[in-house]
Amino acid sequence: DAGVIQSPRHEVTEMGQEVTLRCKPISGHNSLFWYRQTMMRGLELLIYFNNNVPIDDSGMPEDRFSAKMPNASFSTLKIQPSEPRDSAVYFCASTNIRGAYGYTFGSGTRLTVV
Amino acid sequence: AQSVTQPDIHITVSEGASLELRCNYSYGATPYLFWYVQSPGQGLQLLLKYFSGDTLVQGIKGFEAEFKRSQSSFNLRKPSVHWSDAAEYFCAVGPGNFGNEKLTFGTGTRLTIIP
Repeated sequence: DAGVIQSPRHEVTEMGQEVTLRCKPISGHNSLFWYRQTMMRGLELLIYFNNNVPIDDSGMPEDRFSAKMPNASFSTLKIQPSEPRDSAVYFCASTNIRGAYGYTFGSGTRLTVV
Repeated sequence: AQSVTQPDIHITVSEGASLELRCNYSYGATPYLFWYVQSPGQGLQLLLKYFSGDTLVQGIKGFEAEFKRSQSSFNLRKPSVHWSDAAEYFCAVGPGNFGNEKLTFGTGTRLTIIP
């Protein structure tokens, strides 16, 4: 298994532009999580899906952020318009329904908004 | 609500010395507990997990952790650290029931190894 795959690994964009981050979870995992990591705030859960359905989006900072999971093998996190304060590393993680086995994380997308 | 506290932001140890990283959790029932490691530029990797049973759990890379219910702790240990252990370590707690997979992470402890 290739693990959780995120793309791109690095993204540099100008303020105001739309940014789309992508994630492919591990096959067979039915829960998917988007996290944001910054020095100031650490790891923050943005949103998570169970069976492609958003369960908890209370961590999404504001309406500029949106996430979708159209099928079991793909999810996107979109920021529109982007702002410099969105600069962070964004991680995707997945797990199976028995979430007690822990998450498998992707390598992350480092986003820089200038 | 569940929460995790890692009281040490940064720890420095000499190579070959023993290591203990502290983790305290708050949860109303028996939790699931995890330790993750993050190397620079990488995602988080699962080191070990506790569900139930033996309170001393073994993980990868020679790490172990002990669950102490009376102290609400799940400290990570290694008898002899290697330079490659330098990384950031995160403790996490999850609810002890299936169907709710949300984990809560601590703020992390950065480990520096000196020769």
